[in-house]
Amino acid sequence: GAVVSQHPSRVICKSGTSVKIECRSLDFQATTMFWYRQFPKQSLMLMATSNEGSKATYEQGVEKDKFLINHASLTLSTLTVTSAHPEDSSFYICSAPRAADTQYFGPGTRLTVL
Amino acid sequence: QKEVEQDPGPLSVPEGAIVSLNCTYSNSAFQYFMWYRQYSRKGPELLMYTYSSGNKEDGRFTAQVDKSSKYISLFIRDSQPSDSATYLCAMSPTGTASKLTFGTGTRLQVTL
Repeated sequence: GAVVSQHPSRVICKSGTSVKIECRSLDFQATTMFWYRQFPKQSLMLMATSNEGSKATYEQGVEKDKFLINHASLTLSTLTVTSAHPEDSSFYICSAPRAADTQYFGPGTRLTVL
Repeated sequence: QKEVEQDPGPLSVPEGAIVSLNCTYSNSAFQYFMWYRQYSRKGPELLMYTYSSGNKEDGRFTAQVDKSSKYISLFIRDSQPSDSATYLCAMSPTGTASKLTFGTGTRLQVTL
């Protein structure tokens, strides 16, 4: 069964609103989680590394004030897209390392901004 | 130039064919090479990984890494319709549980 869940699986919102996406590790603790974004016919691009108990680390070109990440507990990381615009429409996927050599991906959240 | 290049396909093959999927990369720091399978609107799932150069076999799947050429391959023998998916290569300098750099993915269709 799934070991990393995401909620919601799909969200449609109006331009200018904020959207929160949750990523949970179901039966293990994850001090680190990764957030990726995937545009149609493009690769998964790492947006940021979420760290429990400290600030997230953002990749170059990713606006930290627009994509707020909070690693609230050892099993939960949230990504909030603030003031979303149509160009933010994408497939957002999180992943969580379970051991030194294992990483599980969530099922993804499809965000559509109208 | 992207760090990882992968032909997006689509690639259509008949059932039973041998499939060859490939990626090239430019970052010589990559040491871990992974192949993920992704079904439509789902998260990727790891098929197999290889450390440094060499071959690795798992059932019908064989992964090859040639670091001198910065070229990796995934071979699927006796392909089945259930293999129809998008296959993504991914790489990391530090490990399979670290942040990854992905290719665009190759969409594979295995027909009856």
